[in-house]
Amino acid sequence: LAKTTQPISMDSYEGQEVNITCSHNNIATNDYITWYQQFPSQGPRFIIQGYKTKVTNEVASLFIPADRKSSTLSLPRVSLSDTAVYYCLVGDGLWAAGNKLTFGGGTRVLVKP
Amino acid sequence: DVKVTQSSRYLVKRTGEKVFLECVQDMDHENMFWYRQDPGLGLRLIYFSYDVKMKEKGDIPEGYSVSREKKERFSLILESASTNQTSMYLCASSFQVGNRGTGNTIYFGEGSWLTVV
Repeated sequence: LAKTTQPISMDSYEGQEVNITCSHNNIATNDYITWYQQFPSQGPRFIIQGYKTKVTNEVASLFIPADRKSSTLSLPRVSLSDTAVYYCLVGDGLWAAGNKLTFGGGTRVLVKP
Repeated sequence: DVKVTQSSRYLVKRTGEKVFLECVQDMDHENMFWYRQDPGLGLRLIYFSYDVKMKEKGDIPEGYSVSREKKERFSLILESASTNQTSMYLCASSFQVGNRGTGNTIYFGEGSWLTVV
């Protein structure tokens, strides 16, 4: 599983766009990039997933450059309720024996009024 | 919607007690996982199962065991609880990509807060 590096924390204000970049220099050909959001006292929940270029859904956008060695999660016009920890996960999804799913430390996003 | 249900949200147990944490998923997922989450340490994988009766150790299996007798159910067992096992425990599940052609999306339960006194 590719190791990921994210900033530990980020502060923002309501209405701003938040961009969180994740580095994954040793990403493999079959790896997908997935982002999860976790609120206090809850389990992480899936936000968005991509393989290359750009993916957008109702919650966020995911930008992946051609070399795929990094990815950026973009949260448009954040609100206070977007305060959470965001995890970047990179893997080939082959959850067979020996393949462990390990999360990095995540990025703690604090949205201020 | 995918649902991963953990049987207990909050538990308080005494040192030395045997503790069972139960998890059930309703999406026919092949894979199931148990994590613990502690402040400053992120999510750490305890055990992983990719099929009924199959299990693999994660990063921190010591002091834990697991049981997967049915596809939808994955139990975490603390044979003799200790205070350093006070934590939030998260169960998760996913398909195996080879069968479903999707990316590596996993689904988490709401967590079980265990306090060992």
